[in-house]
Amino acid sequence: QKEVEQDPGPLSVPEGAIVSLNCTYSNSAFQYFMWYRQYSRKGPELLMYTYSSGNKEDGRFTAQVDKSSKYISLFIRDSQPSDSATYLCAMSHNTDKLIFGTGTRLQVFP
Amino acid sequence: ETGVTQTPRHLVMGMTNKKSLKCEQHLGHNAMYWYKQSAKKPLELMFVYSLEERVENNSVPSRFSPECPNSSHLFLHLHTLQPEDSALYLCASSLNSDGETQYFGPGTRLLVL
Repeated sequence: QKEVEQDPGPLSVPEGAIVSLNCTYSNSAFQYFMWYRQYSRKGPELLMYTYSSGNKEDGRFTAQVDKSSKYISLFIRDSQPSDSATYLCAMSHNTDKLIFGTGTRLQVFP
Repeated sequence: ETGVTQTPRHLVMGMTNKKSLKCEQHLGHNAMYWYKQSAKKPLELMFVYSLEERVENNSVPSRFSPECPNSSHLFLHLHTLQPEDSALYLCASSLNSDGETQYFGPGTRLLVL
């Protein structure tokens, strides 16, 4: 079993839709959870960072961590074509190693 | 310049060539990383440096040789690569190497012929 599982997509939604992106993981020691956005031909950029369980909101983005289910989510409200990118989840347990998902490709069409 | 920069952005090399990738961070971070990103695979951690000392070598073949002369600069020296080494090579940095968020450069797109 992979440490982090993420559906590669692509996920195609109309502009204005609510998008839900998810990752599951197997290692209960993970404490730090991140979402990165990667546009084509660019490096990943950090979107959201959460420590332990709970929700975190930043503008149209909400990150949610459910440690009991080993499940994390990123919600995007009022999605825009400019949100079209690959979204990578990443997590770690207080070490130098970030474990990444494969990324979900999102397409928001006008 | 701000953030993490990488040069070159694109590189084509033959299997017998020797080349180097360069990364520079302007964030005052103490840890730097090399990752390999291939299509439909998770990012693969290659090397970690903390305060210029290598703390992780993730079973990377010896044809990849990292160098960290100071906490702002990181190199990846390449020699006798294989076509399957073609990928996007990403550099990242973080304040420390203990689970802190990492900030990525734009990557070097490498093609080995």
